[in-house]
Parts: sequence; structure tokens; C-alpha cells
Amino acid sequence: QVQLVQSGAVVEKPGASVKVSCQASGYSFSSFSLSWVRQAPGQGLEWVGWISGYDGKTNYAQKFQDRLTITKDTSTSTVYMELRSLRSDDTAVYFCARGRSAIYPKAPGFFDSWGQGTLLTVSS
Amino acid sequence: DIVLTQSPDSLAVSLGERATINCQSSQSIVHSATNKNYLAWYQQKPGQSPKLLIYWASTRESGVPDRFSGSGSGTDFTLTINSLQPDDVAVYFCQQYFTGGTFGQGTKVEIK
Repeated sequence: QVQLVQSGAVVEKPGASVKVSCQASGYSFSSFSLSWVRQAPGQGLEWVGWISGYDGKTNYAQKFQDRLTITKDTSTSTVYMELRSLRSDDTAVYFCARGRSAIYPKAPGFFDSWGQGTLLTVSS
Repeated sequence: DIVLTQSPDSLAVSLGERATINCQSSQSIVHSATNKNYLAWYQQKPGQSPKLLIYWASTRESGVPDRFSGSGSGTDFTLTINSLQPDDVAVYFCQQYFTGGTFGQGTKVEIK
């Protein structure tokens, strides 16, 4: 079955960078998009950005445009999210989620499978 | 950016009764070429990842109980849970995937 397995919890200082991974299995990696969604403690869901599993094209939410990079390694079916210049309000659980019916560049699709989440804590 | 506003923020419903959650979009999320509404609904239980319930506003995901239904078009959408069960206690989010992937703020459903 479809599985998305994320890297473990991480603590970073303000101003640092973090790279979180999401390894997919159980489906054709290149046939689906993959998004990152975050959830601050006790808060709602916030879409961060997405990458096409087919050609690696990306699209990011405007607020993350200048400090976010999403990449993929097709050989290992892994997607990476790098967030730079971390601030305390980046503290959140970051989920990867497989997108269905995605249309580049605007529409990341709806999310039918989710990773277990990675807690990022930004604290000095 | 498209903004989704859910109402109410929380509701308490008796077991076996109906729960209704609304989601209003700041602009139409119907694609003119396909006439499809780019709206999904998710359920999230404490400490868990969200789970897809409904997509294209009214299509139930495989394995989702038929007491969950979605309706609406354009800018106004509804998730209905018929005959509420204890397992339905959760927070429910709508999401538009027409432009980006904005979520509503969530609605917490509890048992009265």
C-alpha cells in the first residue's frame, strides 16, 4: 500500500536551515505530485509547496518563495523540503502528502496519503 | 490568494444525529473547462495525520463510510455527517486545490 515515511524530529536555531525528507513507496513515484503541509502547535493546516514526481517542477506558497526549496531523488523515491532562515514561528509539524489530479503550476491536487509528520522546533 | 472560511469553529452533536459543516471560498473554485469544484474535505484526529474524506466537492474517497457526504458548488460547500458516531470526533478541514492548496481553519466536532 502507499506509504510516506518522513525523517525524524529536529531542533534548529533561529537563522539556521533544515532539510526534511519523505520517502515514498507502494506506488509509481513519477505518476503523482507531492506536497508539504505544516501545522503549528494547536493550529490548522497550511500548504507550503509541491513538486511534480514526473519532472520535478515546483510551486511554492507565496510566503515561502524566498526561503523554500523542494527537490526529489527519483532513484530513492524521496522528496526533500529545505527551509532556510528559520524563525520561531516555523515551529510546526511538517507533513508530506501525495497529490492526485495535480495540474502544474497552480493546482497541487488533493491529498490522498500523508506521511506521519516531522516536528520542527526552532528555538535558541 | 483564495481564502476558505469554515463555520462553525466547533459543534457538539448527539450520537446518531447529523453534523453539518460549511466552507465558503473567497472566489469560485469551479474549473470552467471541466465544471469540477476543486474542493476536498479531511478528517484529523488528535496526534494523527489528516485523512481524505471527500474530493471534487462530493466524491467520497474509497473506504470512507457513506454517512459522510459533500455538497455545494462555486463558493459554498457543505460536509454532512449523518448519524454521528463516536469515531467521528475529530477536526474537519476543507481544502481548495484550484490555485495552491489553501485550507479552512478547521471545525472541531464533539459529542453532546
